[in-house]
Amino acid sequence: DVKVTQSSRYLVKRTGEKVFLECVQDMDHENMFWYRQDPGLGLRLIYFSYDVKMKEKGDIPEGYSVSREKKERFSLILESASTNQTSMYLCASSLEGIRGYTFGSGTRLTVV
Amino acid sequence: AQKVTQAQTEISVVEKEDVTLDCVYETRDTTYYLFWYKQPPSGELVFLIRRNSFDEQNEISGRYSWNFQKSTSSFNFTITASQVVDSAVYFCALSEVGAQKLVFGQGTRLTINP
Repeated sequence: DVKVTQSSRYLVKRTGEKVFLECVQDMDHENMFWYRQDPGLGLRLIYFSYDVKMKEKGDIPEGYSVSREKKERFSLILESASTNQTSMYLCASSLEGIRGYTFGSGTRLTVV
Repeated sequence: AQKVTQAQTEISVVEKEDVTLDCVYETRDTTYYLFWYKQPPSGELVFLIRRNSFDEQNEISGRYSWNFQKSTSSFNFTITASQVVDSAVYFCALSEVGAQKLVFGQGTRLTINP
């Protein structure tokens, strides 16, 4: 089974901190994605990557950046955390879109 | 542009009732794939089903069934004889051939009360 592992289940950070959310997949998938999930808004795409060192903005990239130095790892970076970035963050990977995604368990981030 | 709409934000039923979750989609492509995912309280989205646009046969898996109707651009999900363990948020999603991204609906929170 494909596994997508997110390094932290819960995180509490202070406003202004630089925050790293890590995601690792073990099935050699080309595509990786970061979403945030908020009540009433569903899943919103932040960034995605089709290959190593490659990234594309999603629907809500402001305040975020990403890094993909190795195929299996896709990091989401909050350059200066703000309280409106308190959310559930979900990482996913896929071989191709029509096969669907495999998701990680999510990281619930609270910025205080 | 692609769009998926799940108009039901929350549904609450009593155990053993049947419940249908609605999903309506928009796409200009003739070839596409539709998905349903379940997100239990643990947080991880779990794949339930994938259906391609050429296959309009209904699918049944145990207590779960899916009704795909291209004429109404709908891909509805029915749980028969619901159980408390079915309580979760359910997402419908769409992918066009050649696209790497999935487009998700807003999700429906289903609560099954004992």
